[in-house]
Amino acid sequence: DGGITQSPKYLFRKEGQNVTLSCEQNLNHDAMYWYRQDPGQGLRLIYYSQIVNDFQKGDIAEGYSVSREKKESFPLTVTSAQKNPTAFYLCASRWAGGEANYGYTFGSGTRLTVV
Amino acid sequence: SQQGEEDPQALSIQEGENATMNCSYKTSINNLQWYRQNSGRGLVHLILIRSNEREKHSGRLRVTLDTSKKSSSLLITASRAADTASYFCATEKGQGKLIFGQGTELSVKP
Repeated sequence: DGGITQSPKYLFRKEGQNVTLSCEQNLNHDAMYWYRQDPGQGLRLIYYSQIVNDFQKGDIAEGYSVSREKKESFPLTVTSAQKNPTAFYLCASRWAGGEANYGYTFGSGTRLTVV
Repeated sequence: SQQGEEDPQALSIQEGENATMNCSYKTSINNLQWYRQNSGRGLVHLILIRSNEREKHSGRLRVTLDTSKKSSSLLITASRAADTASYFCATEKGQGKLIFGQGTELSVKP
């Protein structure tokens, strides 16, 4: 089955540590996105990538970094510079061809908690 | 920045009733999309309506778009307990970036 896989499902981070969240898709989608969701809130865009080896900052990129070395993979690193990292992180992908009027496919999310 | 704002923030109805959620946005858009999120899960794409469309249907879902008022509504007819979830509107302006609203939490009581 095609889909988008996020791992781990739960992640605990100590203060001062960097952690990396994995996002892999086998949908042959060109574009990939990382969003952050806080309790009772909507989603805020962290980073996005339209093609391999290229990515752009979203609205809340500070304290985060990404890479896009392969079409299938878009890992997100939460660095120690992110002061309030506890949140639910969602990865999404989308086929970027044609008129680009396509919905996103989301992963099931990673819940990150600072301990 | 949040583009869309959903109204109401929470909605509680009985099974079989219709549920209507509204979304307002601020700037011009390419399309508007509605997503559903069950508690603690990822979002599921429900329906996309382009800026030159006024109404779209998918099963029990009906979406309208009024670009002059910068608003959209999602109607779920004959609701079921399984429709209990949060519903988000999202607008796409360019580069494939979606801007999400805060969501409407729908509770359907059996």
